[in-house]
Formats: sequence, C-alpha cells, structure tokens
Amino acid sequence: KQEVTQIPAALSVPEGENLVLNCSFTDSAIYNLQWFRQDPGKGLTSLLLIQSSQREQTSGRLNASLDKSSGRSTLYIAASQPGDSATYLCAGTYNQGGKLIFGQGTELSVKP
Amino acid sequence: EPEVTQTPSHQVTQMGQEVILRCVPISNHLYFYWYRQILGQKVEFLVSFYNNEISEKSEIFDDQFSVERPDGSNFTLKIRSTKLEDSAMYFCASTKQGTDTEAFFGQGTRLTVV
Repeated sequence: KQEVTQIPAALSVPEGENLVLNCSFTDSAIYNLQWFRQDPGKGLTSLLLIQSSQREQTSGRLNASLDKSSGRSTLYIAASQPGDSATYLCAGTYNQGGKLIFGQGTELSVKP
Repeated sequence: EPEVTQTPSHQVTQMGQEVILRCVPISNHLYFYWYRQILGQKVEFLVSFYNNEISEKSEIFDDQFSVERPDGSNFTLKIRSTKLEDSAMYFCASTKQGTDTEAFFGQGTRLTVV
C-alpha cells in the first residue's frame, strides 16, 4: 500500500532559524512529489513540485529534495519568519492520472 | 494568476439531504479532482475526472457520490443523501496534464451535516 508519512507532527522554532521538514513514502516508484502549505481553515497552496527525474527544486527561501531510493523528501526553509507558520503537507503521485497521496502534515510555528 | 474557485465556502445541510459542491478549475487544465479532509485527518483522494469521465475513484466514492462537468467551466460534486460522517472540508483541484504537472487547489467548501 502506498503511504506518505510526515514526522514530526508539529515543530516550533525561533524566528531566523533554518529548518528541515521531512516526508517519507513507502513506494519508490513515485512519479512526483509536491509540497503544499495550508493555513488554518484554508485551502492548499502549492509550494514546489519535484518530478521523478529531478532531485531538487528551489523557490526563494524554500528548497525541496527528492531521494527515491531512500523513500524520502525534505523541505528546507531558510531564515524562517513568523509568516511561515502553517501546516506543510507533502503528497506523491504514483500513476499517470495525477492522484495525490498525502502525508498528515507538519504544523510549523515560528516564534518572533 | 489563474486559480481554482469553489462555492459555497461553507454549507450546512440536514442529514439525508442532497448537496452539490461547485468548482471552477483553471481554464486550460484537463484533469480535475475532488479531495476531502475530515477535521484533524489527512487529505484524502475521492475522484479524478478526465475527458468527461471518471478516471479513478477511491473506496470512499460510493454510489452516494457523483461528479459532473455540465459545461466548459464548472465541475461539481454531488452527495445524494448526506450522512453525519460526510462532514468535512472538500477540495477541488486541477492539473494541466495529470501527473508531472503541478496540482492547484481551491479554497475548499466546509460541509457540515447536522
């Protein structure tokens, strides 16, 4: 069964710290991996998409990596800010249809 | 910037009633999806839709659920007879080409069944 797991469930850091969020998946035959941000009671905002042929993607202070052999992806956030406080979700696709399988998310709190 | 829009943002309905959740995907996207998120739980896939037919559905998507693309812009999810356990946030999403392309999500419809 294809599963996506995110640990820890919650993380609290002081402003300015660099941090890494982890995502693991059980099936290495993943097509791509997408990271999302979710604010309380809101929708999902796409942050980064890593296709299976890629190893990482960068957008501003965010860098996401994908290691299919180890079944892991990481989201690196540089110089964290209070505005980064949200839940971060990773999700993988395993077929052509684009169905996403989600992790449970990591709730990030950045303290001023 | 193009976005996926969903209406209504919040719907309260009585158990046993039919509800229709509406979505307008991004205009040049070809694949459409519904997901749901029960409070405190993972986002779960319900159904994908491509070329005017369902391409994949989950075990959750039973005979009480249906999807339709009635015109060139709207994509709807109908729940025929709502149950208490249908209470959740429902998200619509679209992609340009299925996998290998970024999925964009709407802001969601919070469905409360009483």
